[in-house]
This record gives sequence, C-alpha cells and structure tokens, in this order.
Amino acid sequence: QKEVEQDPGPLSVPEGAIVSLNCTYSNSAFQYFMWYRQYSRKGPELLMYTYSSGNKEDGRFTAQVDKSSKYISLFIRDSQPSDSATYLCAMSEDSSYKLIFGSGTRLLVRP
Amino acid sequence: DAGVTQSPTHLIKTRGQQVTLRCSPKSGHDTVSWYQQALGQGPQFIFQYYEEEERQRGNFPDRFSGHQFPNYSSELNVNALLLGDSALYLCASSFVVNPYEQYFGPGTRLTVT
Repeated sequence: QKEVEQDPGPLSVPEGAIVSLNCTYSNSAFQYFMWYRQYSRKGPELLMYTYSSGNKEDGRFTAQVDKSSKYISLFIRDSQPSDSATYLCAMSEDSSYKLIFGSGTRLLVRP
Repeated sequence: DAGVTQSPTHLIKTRGQQVTLRCSPKSGHDTVSWYQQALGQGPQFIFQYYEEEERQRGNFPDRFSGHQFPNYSSELNVNALLLGDSALYLCASSFVVNPYEQYFGPGTRLTVT
C-alpha cells in the first residue's frame, strides 16, 4: 500500500464547475500538506501549503486537511479550461525534509 | 524574482554513461532538493542539500550523487546509467527555516537508450 493515495482520474468537468480533488494517506506523522499543479512536460507549481489540520483559502482555491480521517482535499471554484492539468498532493513529517507525493489526478475542464 | 532554473532541458544518454544535471535555486533560497518523476507517477525524493552537505537521502542507490556550491546552486550526478533512469528530474528549492515549502524548476528530461 502506498503512503499517499490519489485517484488518477481523469476528472472531466464543465467550465464554471466546482472541482473537488482528494488524497488519503496512511502515515499519521504527516504534518505538512501541499497541493501542486503540473502542466504536461512542466515542473510542479506550488498552489497551497498548509500545516496540520484546518482550511486555507487562496483565491479560487481552498485546501482542507482532516488529520483524524487522514484525508485532504483541494477545491477549485469557478473552474477554467486553463485549470486543466495534473494535480499532485504532497506531504511531509516534521524533521523529514522529503515530500511524499501522490501519483496525481488529471483534471480536464471543458469549455 | 527569478524562479528555479535547470539545465539542460533534455538529454539523451546511452546505458552505462554518466550524466550531470544542474540547478539554480529561487532567489534567496538556500536549500535544494532533487526528485525523480517517472511518467504517470508523482515525484520521488532523491536527496536534499543545505550548506553544501547532503541533509537527507531517499531510497536511491549510490549511483546517484550530488553537490551544492557556495552560491547554493546544485548538481545531480548519475553514474552507470540504466534504462530505468529515464525520467523527468526535478530540482526544488526552499528556505532552511521552512524546508517543506518547496518550489520546483521545469525539470530535465533524461532519456537513456
């Protein structure tokens, strides 16, 4: 079993829809949670960075962390065709500098 | 504000050869991490460098080695290349006080034939 599980998709939604992307994890020591967006053949772009549990909002993006369920989510409001990309979740423990990534969810926003 | 840069963009090598990839961190960052990303997978941590020392290493063989220079730039060296080393190699930079908030470069795509 992988430490971080992510549905590979693809997830196809119409423009303007609210998108929900999720990851589950097995390691209760994870404290840092990140979401990255990766366009084809490009490097990952950091979207959201959160520590421990709770919500964080930045523009159209909202990240949620539920440590009791070992479940994190990224919500995208008013989705745009330019949001079409692969979304990667990543996590890390305190005092471990490596990020553990999910395998990514491919999102397609249809015009 | 200059982001993370990597060179070269693409590279084709033959099995058994050696390769060196280069990375310049985001302006002001002092810590560099390297990741390997196979097609359809998430990045996997190779190692992290700070103050020219390897601070943590992932589950990669000794064929993978690195270096960090006084100006914080870094190199990744891979010896005795295998076909399975074909991947996108990503460099990420961060501040030592917050090593988890990592910003990635565009990557170097390595093909081993």
